[in-house]
This record gives sequence, C-alpha cells and structure tokens, in this order.
Amino acid sequence: NAGVMQNPRHLVRRRGQEARLRCSPMKGHSHVYWYRQLPEEGLKFMVYLQKENIIDESGMPKERFSAEFPKEGPSILRIQQVVRGDSAAYFCASSPGQLRGYTFGSGTRLTVV
Amino acid sequence: AQSVTQLDSQVPVFEEAPVELRCNYSSSVSVYLFWYVQYPNQGLQLLLKYLSGSTLVKGINGFEAEFNKSQTSFHLRKPSVHISDTAEYFCAVSDAGGTSYGKLTFGQGTILTVHP
Repeated sequence: NAGVMQNPRHLVRRRGQEARLRCSPMKGHSHVYWYRQLPEEGLKFMVYLQKENIIDESGMPKERFSAEFPKEGPSILRIQQVVRGDSAAYFCASSPGQLRGYTFGSGTRLTVV
Repeated sequence: AQSVTQLDSQVPVFEEAPVELRCNYSSSVSVYLFWYVQYPNQGLQLLLKYLSGSTLVKGINGFEAEFNKSQTSFHLRKPSVHISDTAEYFCAVSDAGGTSYGKLTFGQGTILTVHP
C-alpha cells in the first residue's frame, strides 16, 4: 500500500508563473489536508477537502490560491502568479476520516525565483 | 482557537543521554495531542499520539510523552538518544470534538541534534 504521493518533489517557478502541486492520497483515504511550511516555521493548515468538496479553506490566502479534489485523480493545489513569498514546502496529508489520524506525504518544495 | 508552544527551538545532546522536548498548548476545548518527527527534506512521521486514556503514551523509536492536563503540557522524552534521532520534532494539537475537522495546529518545531 503506497503512502501519500506528492509530486513534484521540487518545483522551481519564476515570479508570475503558475504552480500546480499534486497529491495522491493513500488507497481508501477520502480526506485530504494541505499544509504549508515556511522557512524556519512550523506547518500551517491551508485547506481540507473531501472528494469533490472543499470543507474548510480557512487557512488559504484569499487570492491566487485554490485547491480541488476531483472524483477521479489527485488533489491539486494551484498557485497562480507566484511571488517570492510563496517559496515554501507544501505538504499533503490524507486520512480515512476526520479524527482517524493522518499520513503525510514527503512534500513539494516550491522555489520562486 | 488553539496554539502550541515548543519551548526550545534547538536541543543539543550527547549520544546515549536522556532528552526531553517540551510542548505546551492552549485550547478552550478538549484536545488530541501529537508528536511528529521530520528528517531533512522528508515529510512528517507520526511518533505518538494522545487521544484518551492513560496519560503516558509510548510511541515508536523508544519515545514517550506524558499528557498533563493541569499544566497543559505534552512533553516528549527518550531515556537514551541515538545519532539517528537527529531531526526536527513538532508538537501538534487538534480539537477532540471534531468541530475543526481534524486539522492540526503545530508548534514551531524543536531541532534535536545528537552529538557523538
């Protein structure tokens, strides 16, 4: 049973480009959480999704950031018109239920140049 | 709202010595508590968790933690560390009542460095 798969592991984008981060949850997990880790900081919650639904996006920046978890395929975190401050590690976690515990992926490290 | 404070940003220790990483939390509701470990350029791995029951929780790699409700603490301990324990450790809390959908609030992290 593969773990939570995130790709790419490393992503370099120029300012103004779009970044698309993918997360494939563990088999049987229908709950996905995205977290961001800025340099020298802890992880901060961004968004919680179930299949085809955004349940809680209280941690998402109001502009340029969006997330989806379609019926088929991975969850996508999309950042439009990236800026240097978006440089961070983005982690996805999946769970079979809200209070059932998480499994984290290895993260995508985004560098904006 | 919840918050987590890890009292030490860095903890250096010699191999085979005991170690304690401190974590305090603040919450107006009952909580679940977690410790995660992050090795360089990797994701987070769950060390242990407190959901209910015994306040002394044992986890992987010889780590344990004790939940102290009166002091709102959840300190992580290991009686004898190994070089391979060098990593960053995160304490996290979630709302036990489920109103926050299971999302975690993390502390700032403690970098444990084990010296030979």
